[in-house]
Amino acid sequence: KAGVTQTPRYLIKTRGQQVTLSCSPISGHRSVSWYQQTPGQGLQFLFEYFSETQRNKGNFPGRFSGRQFSNSRSEMNVSTLELGDSALYLCASRDSGSYEQYFGPGTRLTVT
Amino acid sequence: KNQVEQSPQSLIILEGKNCTLQCNYTVSPFSNLRWYKQDTGRGPVSLTIMTFSENTKSNGRYTATLDADTKQSSLHITASQLSDSASYICVVNLGDSGGYQKVTFGIGTKLQVIP
Repeated sequence: KAGVTQTPRYLIKTRGQQVTLSCSPISGHRSVSWYQQTPGQGLQFLFEYFSETQRNKGNFPGRFSGRQFSNSRSEMNVSTLELGDSALYLCASRDSGSYEQYFGPGTRLTVT
Repeated sequence: KNQVEQSPQSLIILEGKNCTLQCNYTVSPFSNLRWYKQDTGRGPVSLTIMTFSENTKSNGRYTATLDADTKQSSLHITASQLSDSASYICVVNLGDSGGYQKVTFGIGTKLQVIP
C-alpha cells in the first residue's frame, strides 16, 4: 500500500495570508490526525477526523481548521498566518481498529 | 509541565556503541506507549508499541522497556549505526475516550552517531 502523502512539501507564505495543506491517508484508513511540530514544543496535536467528522481537537486558536472528505483525504487550513505558525505540519492516518499511526513526510511551512 | 518527559535532550555517541534513552510519564492509566524515530525533515516512524501490561518489546537493534510502577520507559539501541542519527520520540496514548484518541508526546531526544 502507498504511504501517507502530504502536499505541498514546502511552502512559504507571508503574514496575514491563509494556507491550505492536504493529506491523503493510507488506503482504507478512515482516521486522519494533524500535528504541528516546532523545535521548542515538539509535536502538538491539532485535530483528528474520522469519517468526515472532527472527533478531537487540540488547544489551537480558531485560525486552524480542517476537514475530511468522503474518500478520507483531509485538508488543514490556517488563516491570518502569523510568524509563529512556521512549523512542520504532519498528518497521520490509522486504521479504526488500531492505535498504530502512520505519519506522512510533512509540509514545511515558513511564514515571513 | 509536560506529562511526558524525555532525557537526555541530545546525545552524541560513537558508531558501534550502545545507548539508552529515557522517557518518564505522569499520565495514567494509559493504553499504550510508543517510541518513534524521526529523521530530520521526515515524519516519525514507529519503532515499538507496548501496552501497559508489557514490559519489553524489541525491533531489531531497538529494545524498549516499560516499568508501569515507576512510570518509566527506556529505548536501548545496540551497536549504533550512523543511520540511527535521528530524534526519538516517546508517545503515551491514553486510549479512546468517548471516541476520541488522547495522545501525549515527549519533545524527543536528538541522537547523533559519529564515526
